[in-house]
Amino acid sequence: QKEVEQNSGPLSVPEGAIASLNCTYSDRGSQSFFWYRQYSGKSPELIMFIYSNGDKEDGRFTAQLNKASQYVSLLIRDSQPSDSATYLCAMERRDSNYQLIWGAGTKLIIKP
Amino acid sequence: DVKVTQSSRYLVKRTGEKVFLECVQDMDHENMFWYRQDPGLGLRLIYFSYDVKMKEKGDIPEGYSVSREKKERFSLILESASTNQTSMYLCASRQSTDTQYFGPGTRLTVL
Repeated sequence: QKEVEQNSGPLSVPEGAIASLNCTYSDRGSQSFFWYRQYSGKSPELIMFIYSNGDKEDGRFTAQLNKASQYVSLLIRDSQPSDSATYLCAMERRDSNYQLIWGAGTKLIIKP
Repeated sequence: DVKVTQSSRYLVKRTGEKVFLECVQDMDHENMFWYRQDPGLGLRLIYFSYDVKMKEKGDIPEGYSVSREKKERFSLILESASTNQTSMYLCASRQSTDTQYFGPGTRLTVL
């Protein structure tokens, strides 16, 4: 079992709808969770991070963390074609020398 | 504005050649990382460094070595390039629990 699992997609969502991206992890010692966006041919860039159970909102993006069920989600409201990208989930374990463990990413396509 | 730069965006080398990939960050970060990214496999850690002259193996260190003589610079070396090392190579840096920043990547093709 991979430490961080994501559905590879592609996930196709109509413009203006809510895109929901999910990530599950196996290590209960994980502390911090990150969502990165990666456009084709570009390097990943941080969207959000979350440490505590519950929701964290930043503009059109909401990260949700449920440590009991070991999943973290990213919701994108009012999806735009410019949101089409691969979304990478990463986690950081305690005492990991600041290494991040990465999921393989979910490809999101927003249809105009 | 934070910046991580990599020496080349595209590189073509022949099997058996020694290849140097350089990464420089201007944020005074302690931690630097080298990843490779392949379709369907995601980001895989090759090596990382948490201080000058300090290094640790990641998940796939075989065939690679690294050098960190100065805090801002982290080099990845392919001692004898092979075709299975054709990939996108991404450098990143991070200060403790802060955001991890990536360089633009180097797409290496080994013929």
